[in-house]
Amino acid sequence: QVQLQESGPGLVHPSGTLSLTCAVSGVSISNGDWWNWVRQSPGRGLEWIGETFHSGNPNYNPSLKGRVDISVDKSRNQFSLSLTSVTAADTAVYYCARDRSYGGDPEEWAFDIWGRGTMVTVTS
Amino acid sequence: EIVLTQSPGALSLSPGERATLSCRASQSVSSRYLVWYQQKPGQAPRLLIYGVSNRATGIPDRFSGSGSGTDFTLTISRLEPEDFAVYYCQHFDTSWTFGQGTKVEIK
Repeated sequence: QVQLQESGPGLVHPSGTLSLTCAVSGVSISNGDWWNWVRQSPGRGLEWIGETFHSGNPNYNPSLKGRVDISVDKSRNQFSLSLTSVTAADTAVYYCARDRSYGGDPEEWAFDIWGRGTMVTVTS
Repeated sequence: EIVLTQSPGALSLSPGERATLSCRASQSVSSRYLVWYQQKPGQAPRLLIYGVSNRATGIPDRFSGSGSGTDFTLTISRLEPEDFAVYYCQHFDTSWTFGQGTKVEIK
């Protein structure tokens, strides 16, 4: 059974760096899936942050580019999010999610497994 | 960047009724990346439909997806009490984007 679990500080100071980790269990992070971060501000919709493959080659939301970095630690079977220069607008529930292929021709993809989410508040 | 616009913003219906949710893209999109999710309060999103019309594992057949080009629809044929939630469409072009969501609430 594939599971994802987010962890990291729940409070971050303005202008600081938000750092979260997603632990992957039940599957190797190197199995061909893409690994994503998504956030949801209180009472708002979903915002995709970015994704990475096990070999690197991350892809980011253009609106966050320059502030975001997603990395993979294959030895620990986990991936991480770093978001710099945070403001109150970065306060949100942060989810990690797996983007997997469902095969087909052309290939179809979707986020099938999500972590439970972790609330991060930017506050002084 | 492709923008997904969902309508209506909220839908008030009774159990047993049919729900029809719309997702409109700002330009024609590839069906292979058109996805629908359900989200209940305090929970992570749950995958319902991928590739426009394929139900994910364990999703009841009262959920169906259709559409092409710029117009996509999620239909719930007969609403069950557990179906009252927020529904999001999603698509990938050069990056993943989500619609703003449709809340299906009990009338």
